[in-house]
Amino acid sequence: NAGVMQNPRHLVRRRGQEARLRCSPMKGHSHVYWYRQLPEEGLKFMVYLQKENIIDESGMPKERFSAEFPKEGPSILRIQQVVRGDSAAYFCASSPQRVNTGELFFGEGSRLTVL
Amino acid sequence: SQELEQSPQSLIVQEGKNLTINCTSSKTLYGLYWYKQKYGEGLIFLMMLQKGGEEKSHEKITAKLDEKKQQSSLHITASQPSHAGIYLCGADIGYSGGGADGLTFGKGTHLIIQP
Repeated sequence: NAGVMQNPRHLVRRRGQEARLRCSPMKGHSHVYWYRQLPEEGLKFMVYLQKENIIDESGMPKERFSAEFPKEGPSILRIQQVVRGDSAAYFCASSPQRVNTGELFFGEGSRLTVL
Repeated sequence: SQELEQSPQSLIVQEGKNLTINCTSSKTLYGLYWYKQKYGEGLIFLMMLQKGGEEKSHEKITAKLDEKKQQSSLHITASQPSHAGIYLCGADIGYSGGGADGLTFGKGTHLIIQP
């Protein structure tokens, strides 16, 4: 049973370009969470999605960031017009139910570097 | 201010020694999760505590949630090189930036085991 798969593992972008990060949850998991980990900071919640629905995006920056989890295919975190401050590790996690009743399974992360 | 405070921020321990990491919240914890992260990798779930006074053990790692449910400790007995990494506590504290669906994490404790 494959774990949470994230790709790419490493991504380099120049300022102003777009970054797309993909996350395939574990088989049977319909709840996906995106987190961002900045150097010297903790893991910050960004968004929680279920299939075709954004449930909680309270941690997402208001501009340039968007997330989706379509009926078919992986969840995608999209960052438009990247800036240097977007450089971070982005982690996806999935669970078979809402997190407050069970554990989260994390992917290996996607490390974005903005030049 | 940080909602979950972990202490110490870093810890260097000689192999074979015991150690304790603490996680303190200013709010009541409805669920407390301990994760381990190896440098450059994703998070591995260790344990989840939900009831005040609860204690769980896995191999040489024991975690407790205090009666008032505002503090947890992670104790490692007879530490080994394989214990090295970053230990993160995550909690469901009723909200995460406005929503109730994302775990809030501490900044982590960096553990180094000296041979």
